[in-house]
Amino acid sequence: GAVVSQHPSRVICKSGTSVKIECRSLDFQATTMFWYRQFPKQSLMLMATSNEGSKATYEQGVEKDKFLINHASLTLSTLTVTSAHPEDSSFYICSARFGNTIYFGEGSWLTVV
Amino acid sequence: DAKTTQPNSMESNEEEPVHLPCNHSTISGTDYIHWYRQLPSQGPEYVIHGLTSNVNNRMASLAIAEDRKSSTLILHRATLRDAAVYYCILRDRTQGGSEKLVFGKGTKLTVNP
Repeated sequence: GAVVSQHPSRVICKSGTSVKIECRSLDFQATTMFWYRQFPKQSLMLMATSNEGSKATYEQGVEKDKFLINHASLTLSTLTVTSAHPEDSSFYICSARFGNTIYFGEGSWLTVV
Repeated sequence: DAKTTQPNSMESNEEEPVHLPCNHSTISGTDYIHWYRQLPSQGPEYVIHGLTSNVNNRMASLAIAEDRKSSTLILHRATLRDAAVYYCILRDRTQGGSEKLVFGKGTKLTVNP
């Protein structure tokens, strides 16, 4: 199947700083990508839909000024967690649609200390 | 969002078949039924999807009820590597033609050696 890659797989940052997570579609173009967050022992929660060349669509309750999404090309979407706090520590996962199937990245662990 | 209901957990023995049920009584006529699985600390992995007819691939089979209000994911011979959380998801068509997957709690499958 299609490959979606995330980077970094793990990141530790200090409270108050910003951190960027990249999501790439490796062998296909993705006009739409999705960002999820998952806390331990919980299910995935959709945060936002990233649209190439336009603004992201955020789910209810997700702060768009805190979770900045940029989808500047057909193969790259980035999620920037601004002014990170320990409660933002989580597993962040992106996905992209190829044909009739949505494929997920490996996920990125964020720890804010 | 159309919702699905799955058992919280199931247990199986290695090399035996596993039938994972999913109820989706509010499914609409154009909703596809998707199954994903997630191993610990990894992004979800696509397993199979279908609309009305039963589907088979190298990983599993999907049996869809005639009224489409339920489906069953069938692993023909469980292995230890099949231990994961299995998610049954109805594909939600958002405005503008893009689609997102909304995850429920899934079924945690334990495979005993």
